[in-house]
Amino acid sequence: KQEVTQIPAALSVPEGENLVLNCSFTDSAIYNLQWFRQDPGKGLTSLLLIQSSQREQTSGRLNASLDKSSGRSTLYIAASQPGDSATYLCAVYIQGAQKLVFGQGTRLTINP
Amino acid sequence: GAVVSQHPSWVICKSGTSVKIECRSLDFQATTMFWYRQFPKQSLMLMATSNEGSKATYEQGVEKDKFLINHASLTLSTLTVTSAHPEDSSFYICSATGTLVTDTQYFGPGTRLTVL
Repeated sequence: KQEVTQIPAALSVPEGENLVLNCSFTDSAIYNLQWFRQDPGKGLTSLLLIQSSQREQTSGRLNASLDKSSGRSTLYIAASQPGDSATYLCAVYIQGAQKLVFGQGTRLTINP
Repeated sequence: GAVVSQHPSWVICKSGTSVKIECRSLDFQATTMFWYRQFPKQSLMLMATSNEGSKATYEQGVEKDKFLINHASLTLSTLTVTSAHPEDSSFYICSATGTLVTDTQYFGPGTRLTVL
């Protein structure tokens, strides 16, 4: 059974810092991995999707990496801003099953 | 493109009543729709998967008679919470995939259900 773990569960940093969020998964047979953002009481916003054959994806100040063999992904946020405060969820897409398995999320707070 | 809507965005009901939540794909045909439940400060847990025209497949531990799912068309799926109780209060989110969007799921904005 695929399990996804995110560390840390919560993170609070001052504005302007670069930071890294971690995601690990137990079964490397994934189709892709996706990072989402969720604001309180809201739905999910897709940030980055990395196919299983890719190593990383970049969008603006965000960079996500994938090491499928070791079951790890990181989300790097450069020059953090208060508007980045949200919960960040990592999810892996299981091959053949069309299922997304989510991690517990990291609650990020950027202090002005 | 690939927009999914949900209605209502929030609902409050009395214990024992039934509540229906709609999930619509606005600009694509959703061959498969998914229903998730999210409790406060927890992650999303898949409840069931529904394919258009077929019966839904429920995850282990999810009561199929309590959470009725209908996916009668390629753009609409409904979740009905029957005889709702306070412990059913949660954030319900749907997602969809289709013939043109097979490598990910597109999520609706969620529905907040509060059962008094």
